[in-house]
Amino acid sequence: EPEVTQTPSHQVTQMGQEVILRCVPISNHLYFYWYRQILGQKVEFLVSFYNNEISEKSEIFDDQFSVERPDGSNFTLKIRSTKLEDSAMYFCASSELGQGAADTQYFGPGTRLTVL
Amino acid sequence: AQSVTQLDSQVPVFEEAPVELRCNYSSSVSVYLFWYVQYPNQGLQLLLKYLSGSTLVKGINGFEAEFNKSQTSFHLRKPSVHISDTAEYFCAVTRSGGSYIPTFGRGTSLIVHP
Repeated sequence: EPEVTQTPSHQVTQMGQEVILRCVPISNHLYFYWYRQILGQKVEFLVSFYNNEISEKSEIFDDQFSVERPDGSNFTLKIRSTKLEDSAMYFCASSELGQGAADTQYFGPGTRLTVL
Repeated sequence: AQSVTQLDSQVPVFEEAPVELRCNYSSSVSVYLFWYVQYPNQGLQLLLKYLSGSTLVKGINGFEAEFNKSQTSFHLRKPSVHISDTAEYFCAVTRSGGSYIPTFGRGTSLIVHP
């Protein structure tokens, strides 16, 4: 069964450094998403992406963050100048149909980002 | 704005017993409702969703949920749980039109004891 994959599974970085989290969505999916989950807290939506553009973004997704689909398979989340509070699990998701909220999203296993 | 409240942070239950995980939401507009399960070291997996129509929604792994508009609830139930159902369960809500941005609850940890 096709699945969303994410690399690395765990990323440790120093405060102020840039990190890139990578995701490979399911191959025929067209809509991509990033979420984060700070330890012990709720899952939070960051951004959705379609046709090489951001569709929607939350208040969390400020200028520190950017997303990109650099090729036909990868979908990346870049965090510039990381802060301690960026430490979280970051989940990528993809969906096929683009029915917005009605879509079924398929989630990857997550990347745990630790900022020291 | 919308919000989701999962009333129980942890629900312990014995194997083969029934379980209900509670979810209440608030929203000024029509909503879609979702339940996700997260097994250890895995991403979220959709259990079921309510978009419209019948208020009783059946999902995977024998779970079902009932949408109650008057009580603004979407409780998740299973008549007989297994050890393998031990996981974190998240309720989520989105607007049914326009902006997609979902709001998740804090999660309920279901712990099934033998």
